[in-house]
Amino acid sequence: AQKITQTQPGMFVQEKEAVTLDCTYDTSDPSYGLFWYKQPSSGEMIFLIYQGSYDQQNATEGRYSLNFQKARKSANLVISASQLGDSAMYFCAMREGKEYGNKLVFGAGTILRVKS
Amino acid sequence: EAGVTQSPTHLIKTRGQQATLRCSPISGHTSVYWYQQALGLGLQFLLWYDEGEERNRGNFPPRFSGRQFPNYSSELNVNALELEDSALYLCASSLYGQSYEQYFGPGTRLTVT
Repeated sequence: AQKITQTQPGMFVQEKEAVTLDCTYDTSDPSYGLFWYKQPSSGEMIFLIYQGSYDQQNATEGRYSLNFQKARKSANLVISASQLGDSAMYFCAMREGKEYGNKLVFGAGTILRVKS
Repeated sequence: EAGVTQSPTHLIKTRGQQATLRCSPISGHTSVYWYQQALGLGLQFLLWYDEGEERNRGNFPPRFSGRQFPNYSSELNVNALELEDSALYLCASSLYGQSYEQYFGPGTRLTVT
């Protein structure tokens, strides 16, 4: 089974509107972390936001928020007030417990295009 | 604070040759990770080094190897290059045991002809 599933290969959003990028995950480890990264066409992976499995509140970082629904094993990224510079590939990733070696497992990504 | 740096930016090799990719982590970070992003295969974990030791390895053949130096910088070596090794190789660093965030460098694009 896929550890990280991103079901939206591509998304369009109008500038200044909010957009939600979906991510579901699969793990039996009670201790895990969920990440979102942005990859512009330049290739660099930019860390956006982190949510720990024991965190009680949803993570927020500026215009980014993570809608964490633990029972549903989903960790959707919400970008508010989209900007043209938000156009990029977005990856959801998971890090499981230390016995899994601290590696990040990535989803297939979602390409976001912001329209003016 | 300087971010993760990688060199070279681009590398072109022929099949059968060896490639060496370099990574310098963020100051204070002791863990270095290598990932391969090949077209159509997504991002796949290659190696994790911490305090000079290989801590974990992804599902890659032994011709992918590396090391971490006392200053925590790292080198990824790919021997006997194959065409399918063409990919973007991303290095990331983190604080081991304290911070879960992995910060990535700009990557090295390896092309094997």
